[in-house]
Formats: sequence, structure tokens, C-alpha cells
Amino acid sequence: DIQLTQSPSFLSASVGDRVIITCRATQGISSYLAWYQQKPGKAPKLLIYAASTLQSEVPSRFSGSGFGTEFTLTISSLQPEDFATYYCQQLNSYFPLTFGGGTKVEIK
Amino acid sequence: QLQLQESGPGLVKPSETLSLTCSVSGDSISSSYYYWGWIRQPPGKGLEWIGSIYYLGSTYYNPSLKSRVTISVDRSKNQFSLKLTSVTAADTAVYYCARDVAAAVSHRFDDWGQGTLVTVSS
Repeated sequence: DIQLTQSPSFLSASVGDRVIITCRATQGISSYLAWYQQKPGKAPKLLIYAASTLQSEVPSRFSGSGFGTEFTLTISSLQPEDFATYYCQQLNSYFPLTFGGGTKVEIK
Repeated sequence: QLQLQESGPGLVKPSETLSLTCSVSGDSISSSYYYWGWIRQPPGKGLEWIGSIYYLGSTYYNPSLKSRVTISVDRSKNQFSLKLTSVTAADTAVYYCARDVAAAVSHRFDDWGQGTLVTVSS
């Protein structure tokens, strides 16, 4: 199985900050990576897929990059509604679909 | 507007079978572009993919659960279902159904149900 490790697992930030979350895979997965946002008591929401493609209606302050084993999710200017937990997911069905452990973004 | 709604018992006894159904509205479960999947999340923990099914019945499962999982589809009702046998307390989780967008080997979940909490306890 491909394991995904997110870092940090927790971060404290202020409105307007630039936030970067990293996801590392135990083996190369090309661009087969997605990012989700989950708020308490709600289902995850797809933000980005294919490492860098923005899902429809997702604000442009979210961006993704990376290839192979290292990926990043960037929020260019953190907004109040962005405080949530973020998960990466590997998308290649030759392997079990797996999620990272999550990164909780809280208000400083 | 696609909507997915999970239904089923919220409490299951240890060693019994967990059964959930996902009702799909706003899209046909027989669309050739999609699989339909189940994902779970233990309280306070991360996400675990359980398995996915295509409308023609082909399935793929998480190997860690494969021996206990069956996912089936009912095209006439626009529903798909999950059965998980021999449950233990470790299976206590919020269970989500989701649309699995399949593009070659790439699978992402672009729409989710609200989730349903299933507790395993005697």
C-alpha cells in the first residue's frame, strides 16, 4: 500500500496568512493526488485533483503542486471559512485508495 | 444537483453484519463515468476508503477489509449498498457514500453524502 504522510498535523494561522501543507507518499504516484477540506460534522469536500487541478467552484486562493512523492496544498490568503482539516488522497486504483492523516488548521 | 443519502441502523452488535444503503438522486447510478464508493471515519480520526462499485457490478475493495466487505448496486432503485460482516468496536465510524469519478486508473470522490454514524456495541 502507498502511505501518505501529511505535515504538519496541526497548524495555527491568522486570517490573511499564506498556508502550506505537505503530503509525502511512500512511493511515486505521478500526479495521482487529491486534496479535501473537512469541517467539523461535515463530509469532506474535494478541492484539488490530479495534484494541481482546481475542482469546480473552489476559490482560486487554493492551489496544489507536486509530482511523484512530494505534494503541497497552498492557501494563498487564509480566510475565516478555511479553518478546517485538510486531507490528501492518492488516486491510483492499482493501489488501495489511501488518505493522509490530516492537517488541522486553526485560528491563531 | 447530485444528492447522496446514507441510511441504515445506527447501532450494530459485535459479530453481526453492518448494512447501509446509499440513495442517489439528481444523477443516474448507471452513468458510465462514475463508480460509487464507501469511505468511513472513526470518531476523531482520519478517512479510510472501504471500496467502490461500477453500475455493471464490478467492484474493488480495500484489501484490509476485503474479506468482510460486499458492495452491491440496485440500478432500479438508483441505490448502492454496503455490507460489513463480523463487526467489532473498531468498525465504529461515520460511514460516507460518495461518487467516485473514474478516469482511467484515477479515482476521486467529488460528491459525498452527509454521513451516518454506526456504533458497534452490545
